[in-house]
Amino acid sequence: NAGVTQTPKFRVLKTGQSMTLLCAQDMNHEYMYWYRQDPGMGLRLIHYSVGEGTTAKGEVPDGYNVSRLKKQNFLLGLESAAPSQTSVYFCASSYVGVSYEQYFGPGTRLTVT
Amino acid sequence: AQKITQTQPGMFVQEKEAVTLDCTYDTSDQSYGLFWYKQPSSGEMIFLIYQGSYDEQNATEGRYSLNFQKARKSANLVISASQLGDSAMYFCAMRPNRDDKIIFGKGTRLHILP
Repeated sequence: NAGVTQTPKFRVLKTGQSMTLLCAQDMNHEYMYWYRQDPGMGLRLIHYSVGEGTTAKGEVPDGYNVSRLKKQNFLLGLESAAPSQTSVYFCASSYVGVSYEQYFGPGTRLTVT
Repeated sequence: AQKITQTQPGMFVQEKEAVTLDCTYDTSDQSYGLFWYKQPSSGEMIFLIYQGSYDEQNATEGRYSLNFQKARKSANLVISASQLGDSAMYFCAMRPNRDDKIIFGKGTRLHILP
């Protein structure tokens, strides 16, 4: 049982390049989330999904797109990377219900130069 | 608007002492859940404890307890008998029952001194 995995763990991009971050979970969770973590800012929600084929915007969605074609996978795309997107990105998943905690992946450290 | 406030950006505590990390929240919802997560220097997010807004007892998990004061909208984390391994960033979070999202505070960095 791997839990939540993220690929890649580290990445360096040049401004304007694109990339996709992959999140996979094997716990059959309905909900999946993408966050970014910046110093002093805590965790900010980028996009989330409440089920296969559905996505919704979070607090800071600009510059990112997501897709949830399969229940176990949640992809985060950067179409044209900017230095402001340098951050640590976390994926999380949870069961449906207010009492269920989110399970987090190990994070992806992205640097945009 | 929903909001989580953690007023202590950093704390230094002597090993074996008890620690209280402050968290206040703002919501107009009556039904919600409160969470605490730990993030050690290695970076992973570790779930510690959960409290439901209708739970009459304060939640406890080992050395962790949540001091829930609903009228004050306060959900402080108490760590008893602190250990060096408790040094980490701690995040308070809330999920209103009607919402699919969890809102996180900005965190408190705890340093345990030997």
